[in-house]
Amino acid sequence: EVQLVESGGGLVQPGRSLRLSCAASGFTFDDYAMHWVRQAPGKGLEWVSGISWNSGSIGYADSVKGRFTISRDNAKNSLYLQMNSLRAEDTALYYCAKDSQRGLRNIFFYYWGQGTLVTVSS
Amino acid sequence: EIVMTQSPATLSVSPGERATLSCRASQSVSSNLAWYQQKPGQAPRLLIYGASTRATGIPARFSGSGSGTEFTLTISSLQSEDFAVYYCQQYNNWPPTFGGGTKVEIK
Repeated sequence: EVQLVESGGGLVQPGRSLRLSCAASGFTFDDYAMHWVRQAPGKGLEWVSGISWNSGSIGYADSVKGRFTISRDNAKNSLYLQMNSLRAEDTALYYCAKDSQRGLRNIFFYYWGQGTLVTVSS
Repeated sequence: EIVMTQSPATLSVSPGERATLSCRASQSVSSNLAWYQQKPGQAPRLLIYGASTRATGIPARFSGSGSGTEFTLTISSLQSEDFAVYYCQQYNNWPPTFGGGTKVEIK
């Protein structure tokens, strides 16, 4: 059974940093691209960032480019999101999501974790 | 980026009835479209990809159709567990983008 468990969320002041983690199990982690998708409270879904199976391809939404960094450790079956210079508009539930393939073409999200909440407020 | 527009925003349906949800893309996305279901307090779940292919374990009452800019998700006979918010997502162009969602509620 595929399991994706996010952690690292919390309350943080504007301008500060936070690092999210996603622990994956139940599948061959280094065979798939992985993503972060967020959902602001009461709002819809927004793709944030994605990384290919071998970290060779990485992409970001314009809204986070230059502030967020995605990475993965295939030896630890883990995905990460380093979030710097956080803003109030980054407040959201952040989901870790598994792709259906290795690369960053034709991205859709086959499995999702339960999310970790990030609140940016002073 | 491609804008995805879903209609209606809210759909009121009685259990056992058919529900038809629409999704429109601002430009052609071929058949590179997915549908997700999200229940309150839960993560989204993939229902359909490739516009019409059901994901693993998805009941046959869910079906998708369309190509280009116009897509439809049909739930043939609504069950109590189907009342939820449904999102479409295109993956033909970068970046992947979602529609605003359709809430299916009990009539």
